[in-house]
Amino acid sequence: GAGVSQSPSNKVTEKGKDVELRCDPISGHTALYWYRQSLGQGLEFLIYFQGNSAPDKSGLPSDRFSAERTGGSVSTLTIQRTQQEDSAVYLCASSLAIGQQGYGYTFGSGTRLTVV
Amino acid sequence: ILNVEQSPQSLHVQEGDSTNFTCSFPSSNFYALHWYRWETAKSPEALFVMTLNGDEKKKGRISATLNTKEGYSYLYIKGSQPEDSATYLCAFTRGGADGLTFGKGTHLIIQP
Repeated sequence: GAGVSQSPSNKVTEKGKDVELRCDPISGHTALYWYRQSLGQGLEFLIYFQGNSAPDKSGLPSDRFSAERTGGSVSTLTIQRTQQEDSAVYLCASSLAIGQQGYGYTFGSGTRLTVV
Repeated sequence: ILNVEQSPQSLHVQEGDSTNFTCSFPSSNFYALHWYRWETAKSPEALFVMTLNGDEKKKGRISATLNTKEGYSYLYIKGSQPEDSATYLCAFTRGGADGLTFGKGTHLIIQP
């Protein structure tokens, strides 16, 4: 696609429910990144994919968080048993490849998650 | 954990005035420094990617400088306009498989 697409744009969920966030990167971008911004905080790195592989999952805040990417394209970030501290804007970005940090990332417009 | 600091945290500027703010980052193993503009309800937009010490980049009224030896970058806005109101983020990387580490941003408000 022309840009990075994220869905849903807003999600309100009850504490304890599972949520799934979706990211569709720019066609041809092999690297995909998930970040989140909690209220009053900076952008926190969660996980990246090179192709379908996520070599380092240590940035995920807890084992309730998981992410996958299929076909080198769409990625989903799943949060199980949501807690109020999971409330944040979740941003996805893509770039040509890992190691191409001489080029800017293209970000989606984010999913605002509110856990009530 | 990489420390990327931005100052000030927020800034109010009169329309027409010029302004600048700072990003500081680790001076070792530098690869690139990025600047992004994040307007409310929009996606962060890449402004500059800087890789060389002494680099200066310009885009319209916005420019940036880079000092990798001392670990800082300045972003300048000349003749501020209301549409410049946004959060300005800087991000540092050591390259390779190292992604971007972002600062908390400078929230700029241009007052008419």
